[in-house]
Amino acid sequence: EVQLVESGGGLVQPGGSLRLSCAGSGFTFSASWLSWVRQAPGKGLEWVANIKQDGSDKYYMDSVKGRFTISRDNAKNSLYLQMNSLRAEDTAVYYCARPRPGYYHDYWGQGTLVTVSS
Amino acid sequence: QSALTQPASVSGSPGQSITISCTGSSSDVGGYNYVSWYQQHPGKAPKLMIYDVSNRPSGVSNRFSGSKSGNTASLTISGLQAEDEADYYCSSYTTSSNRYVFGTGTKVTVL
Repeated sequence: EVQLVESGGGLVQPGGSLRLSCAGSGFTFSASWLSWVRQAPGKGLEWVANIKQDGSDKYYMDSVKGRFTISRDNAKNSLYLQMNSLRAEDTAVYYCARPRPGYYHDYWGQGTLVTVSS
Repeated sequence: QSALTQPASVSGSPGQSITISCTGSSSDVGGYNYVSWYQQHPGKAPKLMIYDVSNRPSGVSNRFSGSKSGNTASLTISGLQAEDEADYYCSSYTTSSNRYVFGTGTKVTVL
């Protein structure tokens, strides 16, 4: 059974930093692209970033470029999102998900909530 | 990159069919057959229902079907059931730097 389990969310002040983690199991982690997708409270889904199997290619949504960094450790079957210079508008549930070649996401974690507030 | 446009809500009685539209542009929905649909129950993660416009993943009921015409994609739910009550989001590849774009979301209510 494919599982993606996020952790690391919490309350952080504006301008602060947070690192999210996602542990994968039940599939060949090192052979999969991986994404972070977020959802602000009561709002829709928004793709944040994704990373190639070996970490050599990374893509970000415009509003997080220069502030967020996606990375992975295939030896630990783990995906990360380092979030710096956080803003109130970054408040959301952050999901780890597996993208497929047809630009869809077939497996999703349960999400971790990030709240940016003073 | 603006979100794809979906109706805010759609409702139907048990057994009926409903259709949710998803309108984009030639840079996303209209230009590529990379449209997918997700179902999300309150407090839960999204679940893939349709990919590549009209393909169903294993385990998804054949009551769910997808199609596309021009810049508008559609999700049809036939034989509506109480368990279908949820939010639904479309998604597409986009030529913008953001690569993926999601729809505004549609709340489906089973009357």
